[in-house]
Amino acid sequence: ETGVTQTPRHLVMGMTNKKSLKCEQHLGHNAMYWYKQSAKKPLELMFVYSLEERVENNSVPSRFSPECPNSSHLFLHLHTLQPEDSALYLCASSQDRRTGGIYGYTFGSGTRLTVV
Amino acid sequence: DQQVKQNSPSLSVQEGRISILNCDYTNSMFDYFLWYKKYPAEGPTFLISISSIKDKNEDGRFTVFLNKSAKHLSLHIVPSQPGDSAVYFCAASADDMRFGAGTRLTVKP
Repeated sequence: ETGVTQTPRHLVMGMTNKKSLKCEQHLGHNAMYWYKQSAKKPLELMFVYSLEERVENNSVPSRFSPECPNSSHLFLHLHTLQPEDSALYLCASSQDRRTGGIYGYTFGSGTRLTVV
Repeated sequence: DQQVKQNSPSLSVQEGRISILNCDYTNSMFDYFLWYKKYPAEGPTFLISISSIKDKNEDGRFTVFLNKSAKHLSLHIVPSQPGDSAVYFCAASADDMRFGAGTRLTVKP
């Protein structure tokens, strides 16, 4: 148990579908992150939330829409995705942004997304 | 703009020998450097970090070396064990964390 739980573990969706990825942490962390991992590429930072406010949107297309309703939950809403969006989506959390950069993030196991 | 680079996609070593994983970075504003380990079907797990004001940090079998002038860091694992077989990600942080593409380490019995 990593402390960060992501659901679902696997998701197959069509290009016209709407789906959501869920991330949950009960570590008392105040910062949460979405990363995308494509094959043989670095983890790409997508969104950063600090104290439930979005503080960074790393030039992510609008077909990805994050939501942070409280400090324990983070969602990534997906709509009209493209096949090239198929990847592993990882959620992470840290006590705060600064501490995370020093002591590391706690990652979930990820959602393997396939867009068909 | 890839600020953190791991140029070796894979590395294979014999059990008991040293594993050396390398990482280069471009942004001199990074002030902490971290290594993560990732097993299949799991998220990355934090392994060890080093502040930019140090050149070495050791934790058991794992040692990270930082060469700021060369913008290079390395992770040494001694002795390597089969359970160390995983993908290792180098990361660097300023405001947020940037990752390399990972190196797959295989330790052969």
